[in-house]
Amino acid sequence: EVQLVESGGGLVQPGGSLRLSCAASGFTFSSYEMNWVRQAPGKGLEWVSYISTTGGTIYYADSVKGRFTISRDNAKNSLYLQMNSLRAEDTAVYYCARERPSNRYAFDIWGQGTMVTVSS
Amino acid sequence: DIQMTQSPTSLSASVGDRVTITCRASQSIGNYLNWYQQKAGKAPKLLIYAASSLQSGVPSGFSGSGSGTDFTLTISSLQPEDFATYYCQQSYKSPTFGQGTKVEIK
Repeated sequence: EVQLVESGGGLVQPGGSLRLSCAASGFTFSSYEMNWVRQAPGKGLEWVSYISTTGGTIYYADSVKGRFTISRDNAKNSLYLQMNSLRAEDTAVYYCARERPSNRYAFDIWGQGTMVTVSS
Repeated sequence: DIQMTQSPTSLSASVGDRVTITCRASQSIGNYLNWYQQKAGKAPKLLIYAASSLQSGVPSGFSGSGSGTDFTLTISSLQPEDFATYYCQQSYKSPTFGQGTKVEIK
């Protein structure tokens, strides 16, 4: 079964850090471009970051640029999001999402999400 | 950023109804438009990619059309499992989503 499973969410104080992980299974992880997408409570979807198959190309939303770092370990079939200098507005469910081959930013597989709460 | 505007924000419909949701981009995006369905507490699910291509496993009652700035998602005959929130998303540049359309039971 093709699956993405996020972990690492939790409660963190403003200014703190958190590292999210996304474990992939059921497909050749190294062949797929990956993304993080978030959803604040009761709100819509917001794209966060993109990473190419090799990790050589990375993009970020302006709202997280300079604070978040996306990475991947193809040997471990894992995607990561290092989040630093967290703000209240970063509170959201964070999803990892696989891109459909040959369709940039069409997300065909999503994880179940992990909740990040930034609060004192 | 490219702004995506959906209408309506919400609608009430009955099982068997034909439902149409529209999505407008703030600039031309060709056919770089995707549609997702999200049920409460669940991750989004890709329905339509490239404006009109049906994702594998999605019922044929879903269809998409449009190009440039104006797009539509149509559900030909609403089923009980289709009550959800629907999002459009442009993939022409850094992806942005519409605000969502909640489809509720009348």
